[in-house]
Amino acid sequence: KNQVEQSPQSLIILEGKNCTLQCNYTVSPFSNLRWYKQDTGRGPVSLTIMTFSENTKSNGRYTATLDADTKQSSLHITASQLSDSASYICVVSAGGSYIPTFGRGTSLIVHP
Amino acid sequence: GAVVSQHPSWVICKSGTSVKIECRSLDFQATTMFWYRQFPKQSLMLMATSNEGSKATYEQGVEKDKFLINHASLTLSTLTVTSAHPEDSSFYICSAPPGTRQETQYFGPGTRLLVL
Repeated sequence: KNQVEQSPQSLIILEGKNCTLQCNYTVSPFSNLRWYKQDTGRGPVSLTIMTFSENTKSNGRYTATLDADTKQSSLHITASQLSDSASYICVVSAGGSYIPTFGRGTSLIVHP
Repeated sequence: GAVVSQHPSWVICKSGTSVKIECRSLDFQATTMFWYRQFPKQSLMLMATSNEGSKATYEQGVEKDKFLINHASLTLSTLTVTSAHPEDSSFYICSAPPGTRQETQYFGPGTRLLVL
């Protein structure tokens, strides 16, 4: 069964600090992994997308890494801002399927 | 990037009424659209796959007579919650992959439904 596990479930940090969110998956065969940011009451917005051959991808202060061997990904947020407060969702797609597997998300709160 | 819109953004209705939610792809055609439901502090749960020109495919446990889906054109899919009840109150989100790139999806902003 395809599964995506995210940790931590929630995280509180101070503005300006860095943080790293984790995603472990058992989706097979692996096609791509995406990180989304979802603000409260909004639809998810794509941050990064990585395929099997990509190890890292950046989008501004967001850097995602992928280890396809261990089936792990991380999302690193640098110099956090108050606007980074949101839910971050890891989504993994299997090859040949357009129905992805969603993680439960990590709720990030950035305090001033 | 590709844009997907939803209308309305929120709706409050009485129990027993039907509510229609629209999902539009604004700058691309989508032969397939997806409808999700999200409860507070939960992840998105796929309800059904909307296919232009054919019947929708529903996930296990989702009542097709309760959640009517119509994919009328390559840019519009509608979800109608029939005879809504308070337990149907949720955040409904659609997504669409542009063109043949099925593994890339763009999400709508969501519709919050509150059934009184």
